[in-house]
Amino acid sequence: KAGVTQTPRYLIKTRGQQVTLSCSPISGHRSVSWYQQTPGQGLQFLFEYFSETQRNKGNFPGRFSGRQFSNSRSEMNVSTLELGDSALYLCASSLPTGQETQYFGPGTRLLVL
Amino acid sequence: SQQGEEDPQALSIQEGENATMNCSYKTSINNLQWYRQNSGRGLVHLILIRSNEREKHSGRLRVTLDTSKKSSSLLITASRAADTASYFCATDKQGGSYIPTFGRGTSLIVHP
Repeated sequence: KAGVTQTPRYLIKTRGQQVTLSCSPISGHRSVSWYQQTPGQGLQFLFEYFSETQRNKGNFPGRFSGRQFSNSRSEMNVSTLELGDSALYLCASSLPTGQETQYFGPGTRLLVL
Repeated sequence: SQQGEEDPQALSIQEGENATMNCSYKTSINNLQWYRQNSGRGLVHLILIRSNEREKHSGRLRVTLDTSKKSSSLLITASRAADTASYFCATDKQGGSYIPTFGRGTSLIVHP
C-alpha cells in the first residue's frame, strides 16, 4: 500500500496570505489528523477528521481549519498567516477506529516571511 | 503543557551500545506509543503498549510501562548509526477524546 502523501512538500508564503495543504491517507484509512511541529512547541495536535467530520480539535485559533472529502483525502487551511506559523505540518492517517497507530506523511514545511 | 516528556533530551552513544530513553506522563492513559523521526521528516510508528501491559518487544526494541509511576522506557539494543533520530512518546488520556499528546522527544546520535 502506498503511504501517506502530503503536498506540497515545501512552501514559502508571506504574512497575511493564506495557504492550503493537502493530505492523502493510506487506502482504507478514514481518520486523518493534522499536527504542527516547531522547535519551540514541539509536536502539537491541530485536528482530526473522520468520515468528513471534525471529530477532535486541538487548541489552535480559528485561522486554522480543515476538511475531509468523501475519499478521505484531507486539506488544512491557514488564513492570515503569521511568522509564527512557520513549521512542519504533519498529517497522519489511521484505521477506522482512529484510536491506535497513526501513519505519518513526510510533512509540508511552511516558511512564512 | 506536554502530557508526555522524554528524558534525556539528547543522547550520544557509540554503535553497538544500548540506548535507553524515558517518558513520563501526567494523567491515566489508554495507550502509550513510541515514534521515531529522522531529521525533518514524518514520524514512524515503533511500538504501542496498552495500559494493561508491562513490557513489549519488537526486534531490538524493548518498551516497558509502569502505570503506577506514569512512566515508560524505550530500550534500543545493539544500536546502529541508522538509529540516529529523534524519539517521541505519545499518550492519549484515558476516558477522553483520542487526542494523542507528544513529548518533545529525545535526540539520539549513534556514532559509527
